[in-house]
Amino acid sequence: KQEVTQIPAALSVPEGENLVLNCSFTDSAIYNLQWFRQDPGKGLTSLLLIQSSQREQTSGRLNASLDKSSGRSTLYIAASQPGDSATYLCAVLNDYKLSFGAGTTVTVRA
Amino acid sequence: GAVVSQHPSWVICKSGTSVKIECRSLDFQATTMFWYRQFPKQSLMLMATSNEGSKATYEQGVEKDKFLINHASLTLSTLTVTSAHPEDSSFYICSARAGPGLAGAWTYEQYFGPGTRLTVT
Repeated sequence: KQEVTQIPAALSVPEGENLVLNCSFTDSAIYNLQWFRQDPGKGLTSLLLIQSSQREQTSGRLNASLDKSSGRSTLYIAASQPGDSATYLCAVLNDYKLSFGAGTTVTVRA
Repeated sequence: GAVVSQHPSWVICKSGTSVKIECRSLDFQATTMFWYRQFPKQSLMLMATSNEGSKATYEQGVEKDKFLINHASLTLSTLTVTSAHPEDSSFYICSARAGPGLAGAWTYEQYFGPGTRLTVT
């Protein structure tokens, strides 16, 4: 059974600082990995999707890397802003099913 | 594109009653839809996978008689929580995967709805 772990569980940083969010998974036979953002009481917003054959994806201030063999992914958010405050979820696709981590709750202080 | 809606966005019902939640893919056909459940401060847990025109596949530990799933068309799946109890109170989120031949289908990317908050009193 796939297990996805996200560290840290919570993170508080001053505005402008770079964010580093970590995700690890136990079964490296994934099809892809996805990072989502979730605001309180809301649904999921897809941020980046990395296919298993890719090493990284970038979108604006966001960059996600994937090391499938070691079962790790890292989401980098450059120059954080208060609007980046949210919970970030990592999910991996195995056997056509997504397995989610518990998330990292980020607070960016103005 | 790839918009998924859910209705209602929140619902309060009394213990013992049933409640139906709808999940619609608005601008694409979804051969497969998924239902997730999320408790406060916890992550999403897959409840079941539904394919259009066939019975849903439930994850281990999910009561199929309690959580009835119907996927009658390529754009609509419904989740009915029968005889709801306070412990069924949760945030229910659906997702839809684009059908074969559609943009994004080869990535198996799921598009998520905004969620439904169910409170059972």
